[in-house]
Amino acid sequence: DAGVTQSPTHLIKTRGQQVTLRCSPKSGHDTVSWYQQALGQGPQFIFQYYEEEERQRGNFPDRFSGHQFPNYSSELNVNALLLGDSALYLCASSLDGTVGTDTQYFGPGTRLTVL
Amino acid sequence: AQSVTQLGSHVSVSEGALVLLRCNYSSSVPPYLFWYVQYPNQGLQLLLKYTSAATLVKGINGFEAEFKKSETSFHLTKPSAHMSDAAEYFCAVSAFIYNQGGKLIFGQGTELSVKP
Repeated sequence: DAGVTQSPTHLIKTRGQQVTLRCSPKSGHDTVSWYQQALGQGPQFIFQYYEEEERQRGNFPDRFSGHQFPNYSSELNVNALLLGDSALYLCASSLDGTVGTDTQYFGPGTRLTVL
Repeated sequence: AQSVTQLGSHVSVSEGALVLLRCNYSSSVPPYLFWYVQYPNQGLQLLLKYTSAATLVKGINGFEAEFKKSETSFHLTKPSAHMSDAAEYFCAVSAFIYNQGGKLIFGQGTELSVKP
C-alpha cells in the first residue's frame, strides 16, 4: 500500500515566479491537508481539501491556492513567489477528516527554494 | 484557540538513558494530541496519539506519552535511548471544528541527539 506521495522532491524558482506542487493521498483517504515547514520550525497549516472543496484555511495569503481532483489527489499553487516562501511543503492525507482523532499521514515533502 | 509549547529546542542524551521530551498544550476543549517524528530530509511519522481513551498512550519504537489534564502536559518518554532515535520530534494538537475538519497545530519541535 503506497503511502502519501509528493512531487517534485526539490524545486528551485526565482522571485515572482509561480509553482505547482502535487500530492497523491494514501489509498482510501479522501482528505488532503497542506503544511509549510520553514527551516527550524514546526509545520504551519495552509489549507485542507475535502470533496474537491477547500474546507479550512490557515493564515496564508491568497497567493497560496489549491485544488483537489475527483481521485482525491491535490495540487498546491503559489503565485508571485517571495524569498520567504522557501520551505518544505508537506502534504498530509486522512480519512474523512470530520473526526478530530483522525490521523494525518504525511508525505516526504517538496523542498522549495526561492532565489 | 489551541496551542502547543515544546520546552527545549534541543535535548541530548546518552545511548541507553531515559528520553524525556516536554509538551504543554492550551485548549478550550478536550484536546486530541499527537507526537510525530521527523528524520532528516523526510516527512513526519506518527509516533502516538491521545484520543481520550486512556491517559497513558503507547506508541511505536518504545515511546509512550502520558496525558495530564491538571498540568496541561503530554510529555513523550522512552526508557532507553537508541542511536536511531536521533531526530526532530513534534507535538501537535488537533484544532477540530465539527463538519469542517481538523488541522494540526504543531509546536516548534525538539531535536533529540543521542551520544554513544
